[in-house]
Amino acid sequence: DQQVKQNSPSLSVQEGRISILNCDYTNSMFDYFLWYKKYPAEGPTFLISISSIKDKNEDGRFTVFLNKSAKHLSLHIVPSQPGDSAVYFCAASGNQFYFGTGTSLTVIP
Amino acid sequence: ETGVTQTPRHLVMGMTNKKSLKCEQHLGHNAMYWYKQSAKKPLELMFVYNFKEQTENNSVPSRFSPECPNSSHLFLHLHTLQPEDSALYLCASSQGPARGNQPQHFGDGTRLSIL
Repeated sequence: DQQVKQNSPSLSVQEGRISILNCDYTNSMFDYFLWYKKYPAEGPTFLISISSIKDKNEDGRFTVFLNKSAKHLSLHIVPSQPGDSAVYFCAASGNQFYFGTGTSLTVIP
Repeated sequence: ETGVTQTPRHLVMGMTNKKSLKCEQHLGHNAMYWYKQSAKKPLELMFVYNFKEQTENNSVPSRFSPECPNSSHLFLHLHTLQPEDSALYLCASSQGPARGNQPQHFGDGTRLSIL
């Protein structure tokens, strides 16, 4: 059974608007959550992370929000740029790493 | 070279062949990982090595055999694979012992196709 789920396989957003990518998890013992970005024919690259003791972490245009009671996290990208078009993976860490299936983001110029 | 390098990038093999995937990291990291990514499935952790010692084996079939001769190199030896083993195999490394707060750096993967 998947412990990390990304229920939206794809998302399209206009350039300059906000992109919101969502992730749900089942295990309340996860202590870190990470987002990775993947371009075609390349490996995933680390984007941003958040500890379970925090509810928000911001890095430039990227902000991750964590709602522990809902077991939900989200990645906000604002403003979205065409170069942000990629697949975004959510990951959670407990005794090992668990990844979601990814959300393909397309930013339309 | 910098980062995590995987060779070959593409591999086609028959079910009776023996081949190896290679991973090399130039980041001075001490933990290395093998992942499998099948279509429309999440990344599946296969093996973890910390300081050359295997610390995780996620019930991976014995037709996959990892080898970590030093902290910079990781191999995945393949033999008698099945068609369902066709996937993208990703290698990753991280700074310290494999923990959640140590972001992993990934290679670009080996696309494996089993005939």
